[in-house]
Amino acid sequence: ETGVTQTPRHLVMGMTNKKSLKCEQHLGHNAMYWYKQSAKKPLELMFVYNFKEQTENNSVPSRFSPECPNSSHLFLHLHTLQPEDSALYLCASSQDPPAGGRWDEQFFGPGTRLTVL
Amino acid sequence: AQSVTQPDIHITVSEGASLELRCNYSYGATPYLFWYVQSPGQGLQLLLKYFSGDTLVQGIKGFEAEFKRSQSSFNLRKPSVHWSDAAEYFCAVGLDSNYQLIWGAGTKLIIKP
Repeated sequence: ETGVTQTPRHLVMGMTNKKSLKCEQHLGHNAMYWYKQSAKKPLELMFVYNFKEQTENNSVPSRFSPECPNSSHLFLHLHTLQPEDSALYLCASSQDPPAGGRWDEQFFGPGTRLTVL
Repeated sequence: AQSVTQPDIHITVSEGASLELRCNYSYGATPYLFWYVQSPGQGLQLLLKYFSGDTLVQGIKGFEAEFKRSQSSFNLRKPSVHWSDAAEYFCAVGLDSNYQLIWGAGTKLIIKP
């Protein structure tokens, strides 16, 4: 596997279910990101991890719970979601997170298409 | 608040025709500017970026973009589009104030044969 992979590619869940999204990057990067992509809306940054430590949480509801066990893997645990949470969830990685005029290219996975019934 | 505007939701061009996708941002200082492309069923891929220097930047797949400070714009261009260019294009701005990318809503490019 190369690049950034995400599983599953599609997920349908009820509002009371608990599920997890998985992301794996094979690029040796230090920073990983979760984004939410809704139709006709800009990408929304949800979480940023740097060396397994969470550095950003953009006021994301607690029904989304990220986990980063190592710098190659990132999970997004989902529970008690709402229909408005249906979207494409994108994972990305970069060599390092943005800092002091340095903006490394972010490499994106194909996303998980989530539908909440 | 800082924002990125891509005024065209859809653009349709004929194969072989030239293309310009518009991007405007609102931010006091010169931001870091990016264009990404998302093909159907795939993640986003960086086309090009501008940080400083020459305001005309070249990217992959024959794309270029020009930064115009006076217009707060960073428009993407290609002289001759190919059917494989059909995709959604996103402009993004990096802010040193919070080290986050602010994204436009995207422009979907449709190619007519």
